[in-house]
Amino acid sequence: DAGVIQSPRHEVTEMGQEVTLRCKPISGHNSLFWYRQTMMRGLELLIYFNNNVPIDDSGMPEDRFSAKMPNASFSTLKIQPSEPRDSAVYFCASSPGQDQPQHFGDGTRLSIL
Amino acid sequence: GQSLEQPSEVTAVEGAIVQINCTYQTSGFYGLSWYQQHDGGAPTFLSYNALDGLEETGRFSSFLSRSDSYGYLLLQELQMKDSASYFCAVRRGSARQLTFGSGTQLTVLP
Repeated sequence: DAGVIQSPRHEVTEMGQEVTLRCKPISGHNSLFWYRQTMMRGLELLIYFNNNVPIDDSGMPEDRFSAKMPNASFSTLKIQPSEPRDSAVYFCASSPGQDQPQHFGDGTRLSIL
Repeated sequence: GQSLEQPSEVTAVEGAIVQINCTYQTSGFYGLSWYQQHDGGAPTFLSYNALDGLEETGRFSSFLSRSDSYGYLLLQELQMKDSASYFCAVRRGSARQLTFGSGTQLTVLP
């Protein structure tokens, strides 16, 4: 079985540009999570979808960040406009249910210059 | 609010046993999970305790005491490949999302 697939693996762009990160969860998993990991703040939950519906977006840092899940097999996290402080590793994870283990993708390493 | 505390670094030698502790303060607690992350890699699930007691999975065991808001991960027969960061995470709230600790960097020496 394929795991959680994220793209791109690496992204380097200039501040002010729009950045779109993509995630394909494991087939059959109905919960999807976006996390951000930095040295300073550790692993933070940004937003959580259940059955394609956003359940908790309290971790989204500000209006520049938005996330969508148009169907069960695809989600995007968008940053517009990007800033250098957004540089981090962004992970997507999915799980088959609320109390089930989360399976993480390999992450997108984002650098904003 | 919520907080989790775990040691930032632990060092041990191959073949030894190491215990990584985690204390937490949170409302709406459902359980404690442990994840492993190698440098540059994805976090991977190790164990989950919803009830008090010990859960054993091969060389790894995890313990929870809800009354003490405390848990630990026990790694036995350490191998070099166990060198990684280990995160405790509380499952909390009506949505039962995970809140991660800051991680413990385990270094296994030959």
